[in-house]
Amino acid sequence: DSGVTQTPKHLITATGQRVTLRCSPRSGDLSVYWYQQSLDQGLQFLIQYYNGEERAKGNILERFSAQQFPDLHSELNLSSLELGDSALYFCASSIRTGSNEKLFFGSGTQLSVL
Amino acid sequence: GQNIDQPTEMTATEGAIVQINCTYQTSGFNGLFWYQQHAGEAPTFLSYNVLDGLEEKGRFSSFLSRSKGYSYLLLKELQMKDSASYLCAVRDRVNQAGTALIFGKGTTLSVSS
Repeated sequence: DSGVTQTPKHLITATGQRVTLRCSPRSGDLSVYWYQQSLDQGLQFLIQYYNGEERAKGNILERFSAQQFPDLHSELNLSSLELGDSALYFCASSIRTGSNEKLFFGSGTQLSVL
Repeated sequence: GQNIDQPTEMTATEGAIVQINCTYQTSGFNGLFWYQQHAGEAPTFLSYNVLDGLEEKGRFSSFLSRSKGYSYLLLKELQMKDSASYLCAVRDRVNQAGTALIFGKGTTLSVSS
């Protein structure tokens, strides 16, 4: 158990809908990362927050947004869902940001868009 | 941009040694990581290299050559439980303020008896 909690574990929804994925980092970790993993693309970096502020942004679609709250939990919002958004979404946390930063991953949310 | 290449699949037998190679091209380099991911599970940290050379940790070792943009993960005394995907990742700058771990697509290792 990494100490990172993601809910829900599974989510099935329809095209055009909006969903929210939730992540609680390890106790004391200030940094939260979101990744998308699909079979053909591997782990794709979406966005990072550090102590409530957006710090780094990857190839995140405009239909996707995220935030980190004062209690350091984070939410990833996915809207106008498309079939291609079906993937495993991971959250990872670390105590700080820097070169030797080791990420601890949650068990992921499997999103299926039908 | 970033480009991280590693073989898609490898096979080996129990007790053997296997080397998984990774080559990378990044705009800024701040360390190389290896993660292990069993099917349907979260990636877990294996090793970290920021300076050239070999880092050894039990049955696993990782090597880095920054000038060649090259790393490898060496797994010794293979066990069936080592069957997993091995992800090479580089910490790279992604915008003005931040860096992130950028992952390769992973190498699926199958260990047979």
